[in-house]
Amino acid sequence: EDQVTQSPEALRLQEGESSSLNCSYTVSGLRGLFWYRQDPGKGPEFLFTLYSAGEEKEKERLKATLTKKESFLHITAPKPEDSATYLCAVQGYGGSQGNLIFGKGTKLSVKP
Amino acid sequence: GAGVSQTPSNKVTEKGKYVELRCDPISGHTALYWYRQSLGQGPEFLIYFQGTGAADDSGLPNDRFFAVRPEGSVSTLKIQRTERGDSAVYLCASSADRPVETQYFGPGTRLLVL
Repeated sequence: EDQVTQSPEALRLQEGESSSLNCSYTVSGLRGLFWYRQDPGKGPEFLFTLYSAGEEKEKERLKATLTKKESFLHITAPKPEDSATYLCAVQGYGGSQGNLIFGKGTKLSVKP
Repeated sequence: GAGVSQTPSNKVTEKGKYVELRCDPISGHTALYWYRQSLGQGPEFLIYFQGTGAADDSGLPNDRFFAVRPEGSVSTLKIQRTERGDSAVYLCASSADRPVETQYFGPGTRLLVL
């Protein structure tokens, strides 16, 4: 069964304090791994797609990496506006026909 | 261009009532998905449309839930005989095509069943 586990559940950082969020996954053939950002009361906002181990993508202060078992979202020198819940999802070749399987998310709070 | 839109943004209903939730996907997107998100959880898949047909409805929890997309664009999620456990945020997403295309989400409809 496809599964996604995110850690930690919550992370509190000071502005400028870099850190990483983890996404561990089990999937029967990975089509893609997706990172989304979700603000309170809003829908998920797309950040990155990763397709194969070793791939990396960057956007502003965020960098996503992928191995065969997990993905990391690295946040460099975060700002208060980076505060949100970060969701990881996988799309596999299995019985779900490629629909996204989400983790529970990591709630990030960045204090000034 | 416009993103995915959903109406209503909030819906309060009483147990046993019928509700309809609407999704307008990004223009030209052939694939449309419905997800449900409970508090503190990630979105959970309900149903996927490719064009007008439901290609995968394996996530619908029971036969009280039904969705249509008659013209291959707008979709309606229908819930009969609502229960308090149906309270959640219902999210719609669309993508350009399968198999691996980014799904873009709407703002969601917050359903509260009293």
